[in-house]
Amino acid sequence: DVKVTQSSRYLVKRTGEKVFLECVQDMDHENMFWYRQDPGLGLRLIYFSYDVKMKEKGDIPEGYSVSREKKERFSLILESASTNQTSMYLCASSPSQREWYEQFFGPGTRLTVL
Amino acid sequence: DAKTTQPPSMDCAEGRAANLPCNHSTISGNEYVYWYRQIHSQGPQYIIHGLKNNETNEMASLIITEDRKSSTLILPHATLRDTAVYYCIVRLRVLTGANNLFFGTGTRLTVIP
Repeated sequence: DVKVTQSSRYLVKRTGEKVFLECVQDMDHENMFWYRQDPGLGLRLIYFSYDVKMKEKGDIPEGYSVSREKKERFSLILESASTNQTSMYLCASSPSQREWYEQFFGPGTRLTVL
Repeated sequence: DAKTTQPPSMDCAEGRAANLPCNHSTISGNEYVYWYRQIHSQGPQYIIHGLKNNETNEMASLIITEDRKSSTLILPHATLRDTAVYYCIVRLRVLTGANNLFFGTGTRLTVIP
C-alpha cells in the first residue's frame, strides 16, 4: 500500500515564526502536492512538484514556498507564519504515468497560528 | 478545465442507493470525470473515473449522460461508513509536468441509520 506520512498531526506556532511541514511518500511517485483545506472553501492547491527540484505554483502559493531535494520528500515552508495560514494542510503523491489521476493523501497537519 | 456543480449536501438511508449528481455542462471531449471522497479527519480517496461509458468498480458506479454534461455517482448500498464529502472533478490530462486536480467543495453525503 502507498503510504504518505506527514511530520505532525497538530502544530501550534506563533505569528512570524518559520514553519516547516514535511511529507514523505514510499511509492517512488514522481508527483507530490500540497493542499490546504478550509471550511466552505474545499481543497485548494498551494504548490506541486513533478520531479526532484521542480516545483510549480498552484492556486494559492502566496506566503508559501516548497522544497523537493529528494524524490520521496516534499516540504512546505511558511517563511513568516500569519494567522490566516491557520488551516488543515494535506500532502499527496501520484505516479506520472498510467494511474496519474489517483492521488494518495497523507493524514493532514492541522496548523494553528496564534 | 470544465467547472463542476454539485449540491452541497444530501442524505441517504442506510442500505439504500446513494445517487450523487454532478453537472459539468462545459466539459470538453477529452476531459475525464473523476470522483473522490473524503471521510472525516482523513485525506481524500480516489473512487472511480470515466470518459463516456458507464463504469463500475468495487466501490461505486459512474453513470455519464450521453451528452456528457452531467454524471451520477452511485453507491448501491450505502453504509454509515460512506458518510463523507464527495468530490466530482473534470480534468484533461496534460503530457508534461504534473497533473493536478481541482477539488472544489463537493457534496456532503450523510447516511442515516
